[in-house]
Amino acid sequence: EIVLTQSPGTLSLSPGERATLSCRASQSVSSNFLAWYQQKPGQVPRLLIYGASSRATGIPDRFSGSGSGTDFTLTISRLEPEDFAVYYCQQYGSSQWTFGQGTKVEIK
Amino acid sequence: QVQLVQSGAEVKKPGASVKVSCRASGYTFANYVVHWVRQAPGQRLEWMGWINPANGNTKYSQMFQGRVSISRDTIASTAYMDLSSLTSEDTAVYFCGRGPYGYGNVYYLDVWGKGTTVTVSS
Repeated sequence: EIVLTQSPGTLSLSPGERATLSCRASQSVSSNFLAWYQQKPGQVPRLLIYGASSRATGIPDRFSGSGSGTDFTLTISRLEPEDFAVYYCQQYGSSQWTFGQGTKVEIK
Repeated sequence: QVQLVQSGAEVKKPGASVKVSCRASGYTFANYVVHWVRQAPGQRLEWMGWINPANGNTKYSQMFQGRVSISRDTIASTAYMDLSSLTSEDTAVYFCGRGPYGYGNVYYLDVWGKGTTVTVSS
């Protein structure tokens, strides 16, 4: 099973700042099949990025994904108030899917 | 619009089983895999398995192998998740989700149901 480790656990930033979230895999993610989801308290996860760098439909361009192999990054260029949430990475490159433990982006 | 509507909350005793349903609308049911993912309170998301409605093929997480069964009713455009031998650690919100597939691959979840709360308590 591929273990995904996200860092930091919590990111305290102000609106307008840049957020950089990391997701490291215990082994290479096949075909860079890595996705990022956003989840707000009491809400359903929402797909942001798939294939490591492709934005899902309707996702603002302030969200971008990068990386390959074992190291992936989600960047939010300028935080909007609605972006404060928990972010999960997930790999679908192996037959056993796994999620990271999440990074919480909170208001400083 | 594309929707996945899940069944209501359940309260079960330890050792019992639970069956959660997920009815799809707004798209062709057979064209997307249906996944099940759960989230215990304050915990990360856990993938449980998927079913391909077109042919009934399934894939399960090794963590739940033997305890989980996913099925579908193509006439009703509904997928089901059965989890047996429940313990308090199975208390969680259970989500279904839709995922594209093709070229031998099953891809990310692009649409999620609202979740079904399952509480296991004596």
